[in-house]
Amino acid sequence: SQTIHQWPATLVQPVGSPLSLECTVEGTSNPNLYWYRQAAGRGLQLLFYSVGIGQISSEVPQNLSASRPQDRQFILSSKKLLLSDSGFYLCAWGRGLREQFFGPGTRLTVL
Amino acid sequence: EDQVTQSPEALRLQEGESSSLNCSYTVSGLRGLFWYRQDPGKGPEFLFTLYSAGEEKEKERLKATLTKKESFLHITAPKPEDSATYLCAVTGGTSYGKLTFGQGTILTVHP
Repeated sequence: SQTIHQWPATLVQPVGSPLSLECTVEGTSNPNLYWYRQAAGRGLQLLFYSVGIGQISSEVPQNLSASRPQDRQFILSSKKLLLSDSGFYLCAWGRGLREQFFGPGTRLTVL
Repeated sequence: EDQVTQSPEALRLQEGESSSLNCSYTVSGLRGLFWYRQDPGKGPEFLFTLYSAGEEKEKERLKATLTKKESFLHITAPKPEDSATYLCAVTGGTSYGKLTFGQGTILTVHP
């Protein structure tokens, strides 16, 4: 069966510091991968998606970037965090137009 | 642009009191409507996918239905463990699998 991992689970960072969040998927190959942010515990906003290694599409202009160095690895990064980057970050995998499956999430607090 | 509106924002029920959650959507060429359950501090858990008007899916006390403009999540005789945020999402013909989420309905079931 497929499993999706995210780490760290929680992170507290000062403004202006760098960020690296990692997501890995087990039990499947060549998945579509997605990064979402959820503010105030409600709706999810799609940040990035990837249909293959090195292929990244950005949905919202922002202070963040994403990379996919391996088939089942997706990384969310920032060079300098802003207060507005605080939130709950979720990684998901899916295939085509079918349902997506989410990881446990990373709670990021920028102080 | 795809849009999803969920109502009500919050719903409080007594154990055993059946009710429905609504998800209204606007999408160009619906390819799928998805229901998720999210517990506090966790990633969304996939419940159902509906692909065409008239389709219904059931799982335990939950039943999802779909029309051309909206979807309902019916909860029959809910229990306190059904308390969670329920999220609805859609993907359309031009979205390439990207999901657009509603803001969710926070369901609380009192014993």
